[in-house]
Amino acid sequence: DAGVTQSPTHLIKTRGQQVTLRCSPKSGHDTVSWYQQALGQGPQFIFQYYEEEERQRGNFPDRFSGHQFPNYSSELNVNALLLGDSALYLCASSSKTGTDGYEQYFGPGTRLTVT
Amino acid sequence: RKEVEQDPGPFNVPEGATVAFNCTYSNSASQSFFWYRQDCRKEPKLLMSVYSSGNEDGRFTAQLNRASQYISLLIRDSKLSDSATYLCVVIVYYGQNFVFGPGTRLSVLP
Repeated sequence: DAGVTQSPTHLIKTRGQQVTLRCSPKSGHDTVSWYQQALGQGPQFIFQYYEEEERQRGNFPDRFSGHQFPNYSSELNVNALLLGDSALYLCASSSKTGTDGYEQYFGPGTRLTVT
Repeated sequence: RKEVEQDPGPFNVPEGATVAFNCTYSNSASQSFFWYRQDCRKEPKLLMSVYSSGNEDGRFTAQLNRASQYISLLIRDSKLSDSATYLCVVIVYYGQNFVFGPGTRLSVLP
């Protein structure tokens, strides 16, 4: 049973560029949440997707956008990259209809460096 | 005030020591609480859920005090492999996002 997968594992971009990160949830999960973790800090919630719609959003600018596909996989897009966007981006999957309760399972993350 | 706060750390303890981490949360409506463990440059992994009655899993004990809006994690007989960052997590409502604390780093020394 594959867990949460993310791609790519590492990425280097230049200020002003755009980036797309990808996530496939754990089998049986229908909800994907994205978090940004800066060095030395706890993860910060970006947004959550369920039924292909953004259901919740954290305190992030509109430069951060996302999408969820019918197979529940998800993308995170960041436009006009800033140096401060350098972080580990974590995807977490969960189920609104299953028996896992509140638990979220995290992928290994994508480490984004903006130069 | 931040939604979830933790001991700033780092904690450097010898093998075999007992260490306790504290976490406070600001939203009294919060319903669910967890401790996650994060190894260096890895993703967070669930260590244990925290129940109102308190719960124990081997060397780990978690306590919740709703009146004081306080959560704790106790690690007994520390092992070198316990070295990691411990993240306190709070959920306000079912299905909503996790709110993470900043984490407390633990180094267990030989």
